[in-house]
Amino acid sequence: QSALTQPRSVSGSPGQSVTISCTGTSSDVGGYNYVSWYQQHPGKAPKLMIYDVSKRPSGVPDRFSGSKSGNTASLTISGLQAEDEADYYCCSYAGSDTYVFGTGTKVTVL
Amino acid sequence: QVQLVQSGAEVKKPGASVKVSCKASGYTFTNYYMHWVRQAPGQGLEWMGVIGPRGGSTIYAQKFQGRVTMTRDTSTSTVYMELSSLRSEDTAVYYCARKSDSGFDFWGQGTLVTVSS
Repeated sequence: QSALTQPRSVSGSPGQSVTISCTGTSSDVGGYNYVSWYQQHPGKAPKLMIYDVSKRPSGVPDRFSGSKSGNTASLTISGLQAEDEADYYCCSYAGSDTYVFGTGTKVTVL
Repeated sequence: QVQLVQSGAEVKKPGASVKVSCKASGYTFTNYYMHWVRQAPGQGLEWMGVIGPRGGSTIYAQKFQGRVTMTRDTSTSTVYMELSSLRSEDTAVYYCARKSDSGFDFWGQGTLVTVSS
């Protein structure tokens, strides 16, 4: 099972929007609506930000949104804030009770 | 409140085995599957496998089959992940993560396993 492909880094100024892509195959991202996104600050455990492609857990700001088209899922952060600077990982169900993570994207707030 | 508390850091020699524990509290242990995810230094997250809390059924990532064993003790609400035949590439932080209908919603604090001669 190969890791899902994410851009290594994206950046934006405070208040701007950034979008992170997550490309897989029809066996994972494209085959199921079970894509989730995680935020990870240095030295910390990951935090769930989006699940089932576009749903937000309680407590996650509505600046974070998710979508999917074909084999590619996306996470958009609107109104970028300094505290959004972190690594972001997508994760997809890959069938037979297995999961696969993305390669990770570093978001930098300029 | 939900908590997953993992065992402390380990240093192992190549070829040895390591067993990491993850003690759950604040919820009904038998209602949720527990997954293990690892992260090598400066690298991304890697899914290792999952254990069912009731019957203890397991599914492992193909990469780790034959080297990893996940078990659980319902009496103490603890899951374990044992990795054998350790090599330097296994140096990583190992996380347990609870799986709910909402994804991996709670994570342990991570356990650093260092493999070095």
